[in-house]
Amino acid sequence: AQSVTQLGSHVSVSEGALVLLRCNYSSSVPPYLFWYVQYPNQGLQLLLKYTTGATLVKGINGFEAEFKKSETSFHLTKPSAHMSDAAEYFCAVSGAGGFKTIFGAGTRLFVKA
Amino acid sequence: EAQVTQNPRYLITVTGKKLTVTCSQNMNHEYMSWYRQDPGLGLRQIYYSMNVEVTDKGDVPEGYKVSRKEKRNFPLILESPSPNQTSLYFCASISGTGKYFGPGTRLTVL
Repeated sequence: AQSVTQLGSHVSVSEGALVLLRCNYSSSVPPYLFWYVQYPNQGLQLLLKYTTGATLVKGINGFEAEFKKSETSFHLTKPSAHMSDAAEYFCAVSGAGGFKTIFGAGTRLFVKA
Repeated sequence: EAQVTQNPRYLITVTGKKLTVTCSQNMNHEYMSWYRQDPGLGLRQIYYSMNVEVTDKGDVPEGYKVSRKEKRNFPLILESPSPNQTSLYFCASISGTGKYFGPGTRLTVL
């Protein structure tokens, strides 16, 4: 069985500050891990994914995430927040192939000027 | 342009009136899926299909049906909609690089 927990339904940062969105997962098989972003009134867009190999994954818009097996975590970071980063972010886990994907409840990111 | 399309984008209906939400992808993907998104619950998988004529239940299949008669289309059918099916629905098509999501269908059942 797989599950995803996103810590914090809302996160607020100042423009230029570090963004840290937390995601912990559980999986009985080697996981594939994803972060998606959803802007208002739009569908989900893939930010980055981890399947195998390098544990630090770089995505679009300056985001990156690190897979830490010992901590069962896949936190999303960005060194400097921009106003355009304000959106809802979803962490997701699946088994190989990504056929059955479990999503977290989402974290809404607010960026203050 | 690679895309997943859904129709309609918005729908208001009444309890018990059968409806179909269409989903189509132009990427020749074998795998497609339907999700519903509700506040505080994230996305929950309704049904998925691994190929033509191959479908399986996701986490919340009750009250829904799907069919996959051709690779590009994966319609979601609500035979007798109820108010608890009011939600935002997303269709997705998957490749090795991740899921491609449709723009969403906002359904209200009165």
